Amino acid sequence: QQQVKQSPQSLIVQKGGISIINCAYENTAFDYFPWYQQFPGKGPALLIAIRPDVSEKKEGRFTISFNKSAKQFSLHIMDSQPGDSATYFCAASFTNAGKSTFGDGTTLTVKP
Amino acid sequence: NAGVMQNPRHLVRRRGQEARLRCSPMKGHSHVYWYRQLPEEGLKFMVYLQKENIIDESGMPKERFSAEFPKEGPSILRIQQVVRGDSAAYFCASSTLEYSGNTIYFGEGSWLTVV
Repeated sequence: QQQVKQSPQSLIVQKGGISIINCAYENTAFDYFPWYQQFPGKGPALLIAIRPDVSEKKEGRFTISFNKSAKQFSLHIMDSQPGDSATYFCAASFTNAGKSTFGDGTTLTVKP
Repeated sequence: NAGVMQNPRHLVRRRGQEARLRCSPMKGHSHVYWYRQLPEEGLKFMVYLQKENIIDESGMPKERFSAEFPKEGPSILRIQQVVRGDSAAYFCASSTLEYSGNTIYFGEGSWLTVV
């Protein structure tokens, strides 16, 4: 049973466009939803995170939208740049961020 | 750079050999987590340790895998009698505290290849 489902598996966006990655979760006990960015050969790095008492959080070009009733959250990357090309993972946890359930990842390619 | 340090970065083992992966957490961090990432998949939680204690090993395979975080020295993930299916990237992460909003920091991973 996959508790966090992520889509799409891969995404190609033109430079300057908006990249949107979606995640759905099942366990309503989750209370922390981070997004990680991973470049090839590197470890994941925290990009932005949200708690379910907030519907949206924005940091620079990155925005998380959260829909508690639908048990869904999404990452929006505005003005996508080639340097944003990476694999993005959503995750969810409760009580301990270190024990997170991850989605399977989305490989984003931003074309110049 | 006082980040999470993992070694070796790449390790090749023949079937039946043992693999030992080491992780030194960030300075001041006492909580260590190990994850496994299979090709084209997300990270799967394996084990959570504090100094000298295994707190949660619910993601560890029941056989051949063990982990420790001694009072002195790095955390070690040990895989005995490796099989081809163990080929994966193993990531260590660390944090200062255990709570849901805490930032965890990942190392750059150890890539295990079993031939």
